[in-house]
Amino acid sequence: KAGVTQTPRYLIKTRGQQVTLSCSPISGHRSVSWYQQTPGQGLQFLFEYFSETQRNKGNFPGRFSGRQFSNSRSEMNVSTLELGDSALYLCASKVSDNEQFFGPGTRLTVL
Amino acid sequence: AQSVTQLDSQVPVFEEAPVELRCNYSSSVSVYLFWYVQYPNQGLQLLLKYLSGSTLVKGINGFEAEFNKSQTSFHLRKPSVHISDTAEYFCAVIINAGKSTFGDGTTLTVKP
Repeated sequence: KAGVTQTPRYLIKTRGQQVTLSCSPISGHRSVSWYQQTPGQGLQFLFEYFSETQRNKGNFPGRFSGRQFSNSRSEMNVSTLELGDSALYLCASKVSDNEQFFGPGTRLTVL
Repeated sequence: AQSVTQLDSQVPVFEEAPVELRCNYSSSVSVYLFWYVQYPNQGLQLLLKYLSGSTLVKGINGFEAEFNKSQTSFHLRKPSVHISDTAEYFCAVIINAGKSTFGDGTTLTVKP
């Protein structure tokens, strides 16, 4: 069974731009969560989607948004990028018992 | 609110020595507890989890952890580490189907 995939793996943007990251969960997994990982803040929860609905949300500004499609694939969008948005963005999927399976991440660099 | 504290940010240890990575959590209700490992430029991989039942949990790569409810701890142990265990380790807690809260991570460095 294929694991969680994230595209692209690396991305370079400039301040003010917007970016869309994609995550394909493991087949059969309906829950997708997004995390931001930085050296200073560690692993921070962004949001979780389940059956196309946002189920949980972390403490990030409205510039960070997401959605989930009927096939459980999820996208995360960040608008008006800031230097501090440079991070590794991780996606994780799960089907039950709360065990999450993580993708390799997308490393976003904002210049 | 739930929180997770990993008591050591860096743990250096020699190869074949035992290691313990400490994790404490705060929650007023029952929790699920996890340990993940992250190798450079990779995502997180589950090492082990505690959902219920036996408080001693065995995971992959020879790791184990013990859930101590009275001390609200979930420390990770391995009796003999290898160079390949060098990585960052994260403790995480989840309440029911809620969001995950991760600790700040512990960097384990195994020296020859």
